[in-house]
Amino acid sequence: TQLLEQSPQFLSIQEGENLTVYCNSSSVFSSLQWYRQEPGEGPVLLVTVVTGGEVKKLKRLTFQFGDARKDSSLHITAAQPGDTGLYLCAGEKLTFGTGTRLTIIP
Amino acid sequence: DAGITQSPRHKVTETGTPVTLRCHQTENHRYMYWYRQDPGHGLRLIHYSYGVKDTDKGEVSDGYSVSRSKTEDFLLTLESATSSQTSVYFCAISATLGGELFFGEGSRLTVL
Repeated sequence: TQLLEQSPQFLSIQEGENLTVYCNSSSVFSSLQWYRQEPGEGPVLLVTVVTGGEVKKLKRLTFQFGDARKDSSLHITAAQPGDTGLYLCAGEKLTFGTGTRLTIIP
Repeated sequence: DAGITQSPRHKVTETGTPVTLRCHQTENHRYMYWYRQDPGHGLRLIHYSYGVKDTDKGEVSDGYSVSRSKTEDFLLTLESATSSQTSVYFCAISATLGGELFFGEGSRLTVL
């Protein structure tokens, strides 16, 4: 089983601030996905990273895959209230991390 | 949005009763999954299917069974519900194993 640890578990910041959340494992992944889940809904895919060192940008969100493909980070620039949600990382063997619950305060 | 429908969306039942949750898709995706989501545990895979009548166990399969008699339907059955099975259950589908997962809206089950 691929174990994925996400940190921090909870994060509450003011609108306009920057933040980074992390997804770490002792296992090597061939690919890693990031999902966002809003209350009462299922998770929705944000991005898939497949190459060590890869950086992908989605508007104000920047995703990075570690060189050794054991970890990943999500950086949000100038956070907006619409970024509020549960951020989950997932490995290719159908395993999810426990998530980071992000709250952006207007 | 991917066409995934879960039913029922909410159910309250008593310990020891059987419960069946249904997942219906209109995308003709090969793979279907059942996850449960609990505070502090994230999403944990219960069972998944890689084709009609082809299923396999996930991380937390004890106490659950599944069936897939048609491409579009994947049923999750709790033969005798226990309070530890109180959870939100999500169905997901994907075209490839390890590919993008599309989730349903979840079914909240409470076992008293």
